[in-house]
Amino acid sequence: DQQVKQNSPSLSVQEGRISILNCDYTNSMFDYFLWYKKYPAEGPTFLISISSIKDKNEDGRFTVFLNKSAKHLSLHIVPSQPGDSAVYFCAASDAGKSTFGDGTTLTVKP
Amino acid sequence: NAGVTQTPKFQVLKTGQSMTLQCAQDMNHNSMYWYRQDPGMGLRLIYYSASEGTTDKGEVPNGYNVSRLNKREFSLRLESAAPSQTSVYFCASSRGWGTEAFFGQGTRLTVV
Repeated sequence: DQQVKQNSPSLSVQEGRISILNCDYTNSMFDYFLWYKKYPAEGPTFLISISSIKDKNEDGRFTVFLNKSAKHLSLHIVPSQPGDSAVYFCAASDAGKSTFGDGTTLTVKP
Repeated sequence: NAGVTQTPKFQVLKTGQSMTLQCAQDMNHNSMYWYRQDPGMGLRLIYYSASEGTTDKGEVPNGYNVSRLNKREFSLRLESAAPSQTSVYFCASSRGWGTEAFFGQGTRLTVV
């Protein structure tokens, strides 16, 4: 059974608008959550993370929100730029071992 | 600053052949990982090395072995390749166990 789910395989937004990528998890032992971005033919690159003791972490245009009671996290990108077009993976860590979702392909249209 | 370097970038194997994927990092990181990514799926952990001198199985270890040669290098070996091992393989490293990981560019492996 998949412990980390990204239910939207794709998302398309207009340049300048907000992108919201969602991730749900089932394992209550997850204590650290990360978002990675991946361009074609490249390895994933780390974007932002959040500890389970927090509910929000912000880094420039990127904000991650964590709702532990709902076992849900989201990544907000404001404003979205065409260069943000990529596959976004959420990952959840239990005692250091990360489990990845299947990814959401974000397309930002100029 | 190279980061995480994987070799080779592409490889085609025949069923039953063996090969070793090489990975080296120059960031003085303690932990290293091997993942595989199949089409439309996320990354699945094959093996990891939380620190130099230790290795352990991840989610999908069957058919693979690893060696943490030193702090910099972590290799993945396929003893007898099978078509089910056709995938893109990523090596990664992190400063501490479970912290944000830095990934290599990947090795695209096809087993025919």
